[in-house]
Amino acid sequence: QSVLTQSPSASGTPGQRVTISCSGSNSNIGSAYVYWYQQLPGAAPKRLIYRNDQRPSGVPDRFSGSKSGTSASLAISGLRSEDEADYYCAAWDGRLRGYVFGTGTRVTVL
Amino acid sequence: QVQLQQSGPGLVKPSQTLSLTCAISGDSVSTNSAAWNWIRQSPSRGLEWLGRTYYRSKWYKDYAVSVKSRITINPDTSKNQFSLQLNSVTPEDTAVYYCVREYIAVTGLNYYYYGMDVWGQGTTVTVSS
Repeated sequence: QSVLTQSPSASGTPGQRVTISCSGSNSNIGSAYVYWYQQLPGAAPKRLIYRNDQRPSGVPDRFSGSKSGTSASLAISGLRSEDEADYYCAAWDGRLRGYVFGTGTRVTVL
Repeated sequence: QVQLQQSGPGLVKPSQTLSLTCAISGDSVSTNSAAWNWIRQSPSRGLEWLGRTYYRSKWYKDYAVSVKSRITINPDTSKNQFSLQLNSVTPEDTAVYYCVREYIAVTGLNYYYYGMDVWGQGTTVTVSS
């Protein structure tokens, strides 16, 4: 049902860098801002990145976002155990006239 | 600090109407700096945006294509809250439902989108007889 495609899982050891990708189309990522959300087990999603690469106050600078064409990426550097969570990308889709979410990526800290 | 408090039944019978309410504290449903959304999450459908309402001199509503024929989102300015009604539910509508604020800064005629920054606690709704 999700319009944006993410790899199902990613993993790394503490201190490593992990990158999550999000693939869309011209009607969403290609023409709109990308947002990233982190969902810890049993909790509601939390905004991590807005407008492609902006971090809200309180979000560590270990998290960074980027966008190129119809794809976007979230990078987590200096991986920590508390980063173990599900991560979702999202964007407005101009053709569907609504927000679309990614399929989600589960990050595991080994 | 903005907070959203959800209320509504956790069990709905098939073919009936799912109704949830989201009470807002620390902000106004009538502000022109936000849109008020409903999003649901289930193992089969993932995160799914359902729709939103917002005020820009008048009330606007956007709905997801997948539920457009069944959904109504209404603001209630007297109680500073907004609601979700989803008609003719089936077991496929079983999910955790979230009410969510989307923050939008307005400067003159320009809108700056900051994403879904405040989420309700979530309500698990099961559709079953």
